[in-house]
Amino acid sequence: DAGVTQSPTHLIKTRGQHVTLRCSPISGHKSVSWYQQVLGQGPQFIFQYYEKEERGRGNFPDRFSARQFPNYSSELNVNALLLGDSALYLCASSNQGNYEQYFGPGTRLTVT
Amino acid sequence: GENVEQHPSTLSVQEGDSAVIKCTYSDSASNYFPWYKQELGKRPQLIIDIRSNVGEKKDQRIAVTLNKTAKHFSLHITETQPEDSAVYFCAARDRGSTLGRLYFGRGTQLTVWP
Repeated sequence: DAGVTQSPTHLIKTRGQHVTLRCSPISGHKSVSWYQQVLGQGPQFIFQYYEKEERGRGNFPDRFSARQFPNYSSELNVNALLLGDSALYLCASSNQGNYEQYFGPGTRLTVT
Repeated sequence: GENVEQHPSTLSVQEGDSAVIKCTYSDSASNYFPWYKQELGKRPQLIIDIRSNVGEKKDQRIAVTLNKTAKHFSLHITETQPEDSAVYFCAARDRGSTLGRLYFGRGTQLTVWP
């Protein structure tokens, strides 16, 4: 059984650039959540999508956006990158009626 | 929104001893409290969770207790082993949204010395 997958694993970008991160949930899971984890801190909620609709948004600027596709995979987009966007971006998969969220391996984004 | 506080930030124990990590939460409506283990460079892994209608849950060497009145919950690891060394995060589920976003504590770095 494949777990949550994310791509790419690592990414280096320059300030002002744009980045797209991708996530595929566990087979059968219809909900995807995105979290940002800065070094030394716990994950912080960015977005949650269920059945292609946004169901929750954290306290992040409009430079952050996301979408979910018919196959339940998801993309997180970040525009006009800042140094402070450097972090591990985690995707979590869950299913309606179940509380458990399972994380992918993350994408390590470095902004220089 | 919910606010989760976690203590201690670092914890060192001798192999075989017990380890306890404590968390408090602010929103009395929160109803689900998972614990994640994150080894260096790896994804957070769900190790145990508890729902608000239960006071205690145990899975082999790990257990979680919940005190709804005091709004705190704890992770207990008995007979610790070096492979238990990792960062542990507690979290609380936001009951407001349909599926529930998680609010995380800042983490506890557990080191088990052989």
